Amino acid sequence: DAKTTQPNSMESNEEEPVHLPCNHSTISGTDYIHWYRQLPSQGPEYVIHGLTSNVNNRMASLAIAEDRKSSTLILHRATLRDAAVYYCILRDHGSGNTGKLIFGQGTTLQVKP
Amino acid sequence: KAGVTQTPRYLIKTRGQQVTLSCSPISGHRSVSWYQQTPGQGLQFLFEYFSETQRNKGNFPGRFSGRQFSNSRSEMNVSTLELGDSALYLCASSLGIYDLVNFGPGTRLTVT
Repeated sequence: DAKTTQPNSMESNEEEPVHLPCNHSTISGTDYIHWYRQLPSQGPEYVIHGLTSNVNNRMASLAIAEDRKSSTLILHRATLRDAAVYYCILRDHGSGNTGKLIFGQGTTLQVKP
Repeated sequence: KAGVTQTPRYLIKTRGQQVTLSCSPISGHRSVSWYQQTPGQGLQFLFEYFSETQRNKGNFPGRFSGRQFSNSRSEMNVSTLELGDSALYLCASSLGIYDLVNFGPGTRLTVT
């Protein structure tokens, strides 16, 4: 299973943009990049995912490097509710795999008022 | 649509006992997976079921087992509980194997 590397923690000020990096140098051609976040005392929730192109949704944007060996989750205006652990996950959709999620340690995001 | 529901939400058991946790997926979802979350090991994949068949299994001892019923509801069982089994057990469901995964709130198991 391909692995991801994320910083253990990051801090941001409220209403400022946040860029959460993720390295995945061993990514394969069939791996999708998924981001989930886990708020305190809750199960993880889906944030965004992509394969090659940059993606946007109502929650965030995902910028994927051209060689796909790294990606960045962008929260455009952090709020206190965005304080959570963010997980960058590679999900293999090929080779007969079932697409199980392999979680790393994630990045704990603190948002200061 | 109702989200993934898990019962019970909290559970206290004694070493050596067994426990069964239940998960009801989102209506229409046929894939159910289970994860264990501990402070030391983080989130670890336990197993995944699709249409009542186990499709994938994580690296856990045989004391951990699961099953899925024809209505997609799933249960996981842990026999001969150990202190190290204390964890948050998360169930997740998706339409199909490769679709987006929705997690439940988890069952907090404490083994004393």
